[in-house]
Amino acid sequence: DVKVTQSSRYLVKRTGEKVFLECVQDMDHENMFWYRQDPGLGLRLIYFSYDVKMKEKGDIPEGYSVSREKKERFSLILESASTNQTSMYLCASGQGAHTYEQYFGPGTRLTVT
Amino acid sequence: SQQGEEDPQALSIQEGENATMNCSYKTSINNLQWYRQNSGRGLVHLILIRSNEREKHSGRLRVTLDTSKKSSSLLITASRAADTASYFCATVSYSSNTGKLIFGQGTTLQVKP
Repeated sequence: DVKVTQSSRYLVKRTGEKVFLECVQDMDHENMFWYRQDPGLGLRLIYFSYDVKMKEKGDIPEGYSVSREKKERFSLILESASTNQTSMYLCASGQGAHTYEQYFGPGTRLTVT
Repeated sequence: SQQGEEDPQALSIQEGENATMNCSYKTSINNLQWYRQNSGRGLVHLILIRSNEREKHSGRLRVTLDTSKKSSSLLITASRAADTASYFCATVSYSSNTGKLIFGQGTTLQVKP
């Protein structure tokens, strides 16, 4: 079975802190994605990566950056956390070709105080 | 931006009844997928239907796709309490080569025992 793991299930940070959310997948997938999920807004794509060191902005990249140094690991970075970044963060991975089915991690619920 | 719009936003039924959820989208697609999310967890892929398919079955799930109306429906037959979850449709654009999914806002299904 495909496994996507995220570094934390729950995280509480203070405004202005630098926050790292890490995601690891074990299926050698080319594509990896970071979403945030908020009530009434659904899932919104923050960034995605289709290869090591390659990244593209999603729909809401402002305030975030990403890093993909190894194929299996995709990190989301909040350079200076703000209260409006309080959200559920979901990581996903997927094979590049054919179906584009995505496999999701369990999510990290981040609270910025 | 969100392409998929789902209807209804919330659905409450008794165990054993059928549940139908609808999804509409705006642009030409390569395929459409349905995902389930249990409360506070990541999404799980349920079923994928390609743009040249009209109907697909998987266990108690039946998905239809009408590309002329840009709509899809997910039918869960003989529902169980364990089917209680949020259900999302997601589309892959016809022109996509990155595996980027565009999610709808989801339907929350409650199945009462």
